[in-house]
Order: sequence, then structure tokens, then C-alpha cells
Amino acid sequence: EAGVAQSPRYKIIEKRQSVAFWCNPISGHATLYWYQQILGQGPKLLIQFQNNGVVDDSQLPKDRFSAERLKGVDSTLKIQPAKLEDSAVYLCASRGQGQTQYFGPGTRLLVL
Amino acid sequence: QQQVKQSPQSLIVQKGGISIINCAYENTAFDYFPWYQQFPGKGPALLIAIRPDVSEKKEGRFTISFNKSAKQFSLHIMDSQPGDSATYFCAASFDTTGGSNYKLTFGKGTLLTVNP
Repeated sequence: EAGVAQSPRYKIIEKRQSVAFWCNPISGHATLYWYQQILGQGPKLLIQFQNNGVVDDSQLPKDRFSAERLKGVDSTLKIQPAKLEDSAVYLCASRGQGQTQYFGPGTRLLVL
Repeated sequence: QQQVKQSPQSLIVQKGGISIINCAYENTAFDYFPWYQQFPGKGPALLIAIRPDVSEKKEGRFTISFNKSAKQFSLHIMDSQPGDSATYFCAASFDTTGGSNYKLTFGKGTLLTVNP
């Protein structure tokens, strides 16, 4: 069974630029999560999708972050414009019927 | 408000020793307590998990001890090996809406180093 795929793996941008991350969950997993992991901290949930609907986006900075999962499979997370404090690893996870979340390798973002 | 507190922040153990990482939670609605292992450049991977109806769960060298009344749980790694060197995160989860909308809250992590 293929795991959660994410791309790109690394991204370096200037502040105020925009960036997008892509996630392909495990096949059949209806629930998809985006997390932000700042160096030295645990992952923090940004947004949760159930199929193509948003379940929880209470911690998503909506003035600059957006996410979509149009067909209930792949998802993209966008930051526009980026700030220095957005430098972090962005993790995508998916979940099937149980409570276990399976994480992708993450996208490491550096904002200069 | 941090709902899951993890300690220590870092831990150094000799090969063959026991590694112990502790977590405490506040929200009594939590009903699922996983531990994740993360190697540099990788995403977190589930190591072992427990539900509050049992006090201990063991899988190989890894054991979770759970104390519901104290709202604490811990990870014990027996016979620690250099390959166990990684960051370990405790987490807690519950269904936020009654519709299988499980939301994980993570601790801040423990960097474990096992010296050869």
C-alpha cells in the first residue's frame, strides 16, 4: 500500500511570495489533514477535510492560507503572501476508518 | 492552551538502557493516545497507541503505561538501541463532533539519543 505522497519536498521563497504544496493521501482515505510543524515543536493542525468538505479550519490563518480538496482525493495548501514565520515543515496526513493518522514526508519551507 | 504536556525535552540513554518519556493531558474527552516516532527529514510514524480502558500496552520493546486518574501516560523503550534515536511525540485524540472527526493534539516532542 502506497503511503501519503507530498511535493515538493523543499521550497525556498522570499517573503511576500506565494507557494503551494500538494498532497496525495492513501487510496480510500476519506479524511485528510494539513499540519504545520515548526522546528522543535509538535505538529499543529491547520485544516481537516472529510472527502471534499472542510471539517475544521479553526487554526488556519485564513488571511494568507488557503486549502482545497476539490475531488475528495488530492489536496493543495497555499500560502499567499508568505511571512518569515511561515518557515516550517508542512505535513499532510490521511485517515481511513480507524483513528490512526498516516503522515507523508512533509514539505520543508524556508521563507527568506 | 497546550493540552498535552510532554517531558523531557531531550533524553540521552546508553545502548541497552531504558528510555522513559512522559505525557500529561488535561481534556478528559481524549479517548485515544498514540505515540509517534519521527526521524530527521521524515514524517511522524505511528509507533504504538492505547485507549483509556487499559492501563498498559506492550509491542515488542515499546510499552505504553496509562494512568487515567492522574491523566498521564508514558512510553517505555526497553533495551534501547542507537536506531531508536529519533524524536518521539505523544498525542491525544477525540471525536470532536460525534461523526468520526478525530483531531490529534501533539506534545512538543522528545529528542532521544541512544549512545552506542
